[in-house]
Amino acid sequence: DAGVTQSPTHLIKTRGQQVTLRCSPKSGHDTVSWYQQALGQGPQFIFQYYEEEERQRGNFPDRFSGHQFPNYSSELNVNALLLGDSALYLCASSLVSGGTDTQYFGPGTRLTVL
Amino acid sequence: EDQVTQSPEALRLQEGESSSLNCSYTVSGLRGLFWYRQDPGKGPEFLFTLYSAGEEKEKERLKATLTKKESFLHITAPKPEDSATYLCAVHPNDYKLSFGAGTTVTVRA
Repeated sequence: DAGVTQSPTHLIKTRGQQVTLRCSPKSGHDTVSWYQQALGQGPQFIFQYYEEEERQRGNFPDRFSGHQFPNYSSELNVNALLLGDSALYLCASSLVSGGTDTQYFGPGTRLTVL
Repeated sequence: EDQVTQSPEALRLQEGESSSLNCSYTVSGLRGLFWYRQDPGKGPEFLFTLYSAGEEKEKERLKATLTKKESFLHITAPKPEDSATYLCAVHPNDYKLSFGAGTTVTVRA
């Protein structure tokens, strides 16, 4: 059973650049959520995608945007990178009709902004 | 606004020394409370979901319980491989998970 996969594993960018992170959900899942985790903190919700639409958004600026494709995979885009965007970016997948709302996380992408 | 507070921030245990982690929460309607384990530099690994006060779930040396205001994760006779950060998250009446900052557990042999 394939779990949640994310790419790339690590990424180094400079301030002002743009970055795209990718996520493939767990087999059979249809919903993807993105979280940002700073060092020593719990994950913070960025947004959730279902049926290729952004269903809910957390307290993040418009520089953070996303997309969900027909095969349920998803991308997170961050424009005009700031030093404070350095973090572990986590993707989680779930199944809307599953009844448990359990979100399963991928290994994350470590983004470093210099 | 949803609030999740975990205590203690860090816990150092001797192998075999049982202990408990606390997660207190304030949320406008609770659909579920989740416990995850996270190893350094990796994504959170799902442990338990609790839905209603009084519910308990067990897995190996871990047992999670839930009341109307808090949850406990009990670690019985821990082993060094139980060393990790344990995260608590609440799922209110929307789609996101709101996490606490976690408790880092270190078990010495």
